[in-house]
Amino acid sequence: DTAVSQTPKYLVTQMGNDKSIKCEQNLGHDTMYWYKQDSKKFLKIMFSYNNKELIINETVPNRFSPKSPDKAHLNLHINSLELGDSAVYFCASSPFFTATYEQYFGPGTRLTVT
Amino acid sequence: AQSVTQLGSHVSVSEGALVLLRCNYSSSVPPYLFWYVQYPNQGLQLLLKYTSAATLVKGINGFEAEFKKSETSFHLTKPSAHMSDAAEYFCAVSGRTGNQFYFGTGTSLTVIP
Repeated sequence: DTAVSQTPKYLVTQMGNDKSIKCEQNLGHDTMYWYKQDSKKFLKIMFSYNNKELIINETVPNRFSPKSPDKAHLNLHINSLELGDSAVYFCASSPFFTATYEQYFGPGTRLTVT
Repeated sequence: AQSVTQLGSHVSVSEGALVLLRCNYSSSVPPYLFWYVQYPNQGLQLLLKYTSAATLVKGINGFEAEFKKSETSFHLTKPSAHMSDAAEYFCAVSGRTGNQFYFGTGTSLTVIP
């Protein structure tokens, strides 16, 4: 029983394409997140989604858009992919949108843009 | 604003030796602090967390960390390293809400047989 799952695990695509990464959590959590991990392993939060409220990190390009069909899913859609988008993207969830709760991470999606 | 600094991007220890991974934080509010571990090609797994209860926090796999407010530190230790401990370790601090979650740059731990 995977708590937080992501598909696909690997994604190789060309510049200019549009792609989506799917995330599902079966933990019953209220809050979900997307993180980007660059080649130096630096992790940065991109989005948090809580009770239909989306909080966007101001540094995220508007080519990135999260979509949540329901509380258990938060998908990441990326338009017009660029070389710099190559990274590992992690989905995470937490029970509530408060700082005391740890976040549970998915296995990651390695995106390679050529 | 919150931030964490992990001193030493790479740490090597011999099997059976003490593991010490350093983390210093900066926070404008009482911090909540976390240590996560990332094994190769996997997601992050919580090792332990500090949320203003006991200052010495015990986690999984024999790891523990001590919150020292005077030193603004939250160092991770394990008395005896095991080969399976080789991984990337991340310290994180959070503010009042879940989107205020900031990771350090990570420390890669190598265990030498």
